[in-house]
Amino acid sequence: ETGVTQTPRHLVMGMTNKKSLKCEQHLGHNAMYWYKQSAKKPLELMFVYNFKEQTENNSVPSRFSPECPNSSHLFLHLHTLQPEDSALYLCASSQMAGTYTYEQYFGPGTRLTVT
Amino acid sequence: QKEVEQNSGPLSVPEGAIASLNCTYSDRGSQSFFWYRQYSGKSPELIMFIYSNGDKEDGRFTAQLNKASQYVSLLIRDSQPSDSATYLCAVNGFGNEKLTFGTGTRLTIIP
Repeated sequence: ETGVTQTPRHLVMGMTNKKSLKCEQHLGHNAMYWYKQSAKKPLELMFVYNFKEQTENNSVPSRFSPECPNSSHLFLHLHTLQPEDSALYLCASSQMAGTYTYEQYFGPGTRLTVT
Repeated sequence: QKEVEQNSGPLSVPEGAIASLNCTYSDRGSQSFFWYRQYSGKSPELIMFIYSNGDKEDGRFTAQLNKASQYVSLLIRDSQPSDSATYLCAVNGFGNEKLTFGTGTRLTIIP
């Protein structure tokens, strides 16, 4: 595997379900990100992890819970979602040096539909 | 005021012509600038980055940066139908560990 991988690629879940999205990066980077992209809207940054420590939570509802066990893996745990949470969820990684971030590389995304 | 602004388009360009995409940013301390291409339903793909004033060329793509005027542009020469996509501009500010993305410009190459 190369680059940034995400599973599953597609997910349909009910509002009462609990599911998790997984991201893995094979680039040796030390920072990972979750973004949300809704139809015809710009990318929304959700969470940033730098060296496994969460450094940004962009006012994301608590029904989204991130987990970063090491610098190569990132999870997004989902529970009691709403239909408006249906979107493309993108994981990205980059190299950070201090507070400077280099280019980010994106995974293929998980298309989430909440019914 | 939006931090990174792009014309949403759509921008239509005949095949073989030069496509010019523009982006302005508000943070004068911004240090690095990125262009991503995103096909419909797919994730963004990095195509160019530039750190210094001037031009940077990579194949058919040229990124241009003017820090004094706070704009960055992307030129695509010999446009192909496969270049039809949304192009996202992203900027990294001084002391900022995240990228700020523009809303993207939708480009259509007309055969």
